[in-house]
Amino acid sequence: EPEVTQTPSHQVTQMGQEVILRCVPISNHLYFYWYRQILGQKVEFLVSFYNNEISEKSEIFDDQFSVERPDGSNFTLKIRSTKLEDSAMYFCASSRDRKNEQYFGPGTRLTVT
Amino acid sequence: KQEVTQIPAALSVPEGENLVLNCSFTDSAIYNLQWFRQDPGKGLTSLLLIQSSQREQTSGRLNASLDKSSGRSTLYIAASQPGDSATYLCEGGSEKLVFGKGTKLTVNP
Repeated sequence: EPEVTQTPSHQVTQMGQEVILRCVPISNHLYFYWYRQILGQKVEFLVSFYNNEISEKSEIFDDQFSVERPDGSNFTLKIRSTKLEDSAMYFCASSRDRKNEQYFGPGTRLTVT
Repeated sequence: KQEVTQIPAALSVPEGENLVLNCSFTDSAIYNLQWFRQDPGKGLTSLLLIQSSQREQTSGRLNASLDKSSGRSTLYIAASQPGDSATYLCEGGSEKLVFGKGTKLTVNP
């Protein structure tokens, strides 16, 4: 069964460094999403992406964040200058279209020290 | 702005019991509502998706309903099992997607 994959599973970085989190969505899906979950808190929407551009973004998704689909399979989230408060689990998801079921990846745990 | 609320925050039941988890949302113009389960330290597993034009969906022992007019969805779990222990999340929204905080379910053998 097709699944969303994410790499790495755990990333440790120092404050101020840039990180890139990678996701491979399900191949025939057209909508891609990033969410984050700070430990003990709820899952928060960051951004949705369709047709090679951002479809919607939340207030969390400021200028420090960017997304890209650099090739036909990968979908990446870049954080330019990480802060301690960026420590969280980051989930990627994809769906065939906006109103269809979302499938989530296993997440990348980002730890900023 | 969409807000999603889930009650109760935690629920502990004996094995075999039928139970209902509740999800309420403020913006009735949702595209759909999706229920997930999350095991500790893990990702989200999709359980059921209800399109905005639908009233309910069923999968095995799970049944989810949607009432857009009242801004409510329920997840019914029949004959609960210890393996059902997890946090159950609902997500709704239109352009921006919003999760509830979840209901942590413990099914005791």
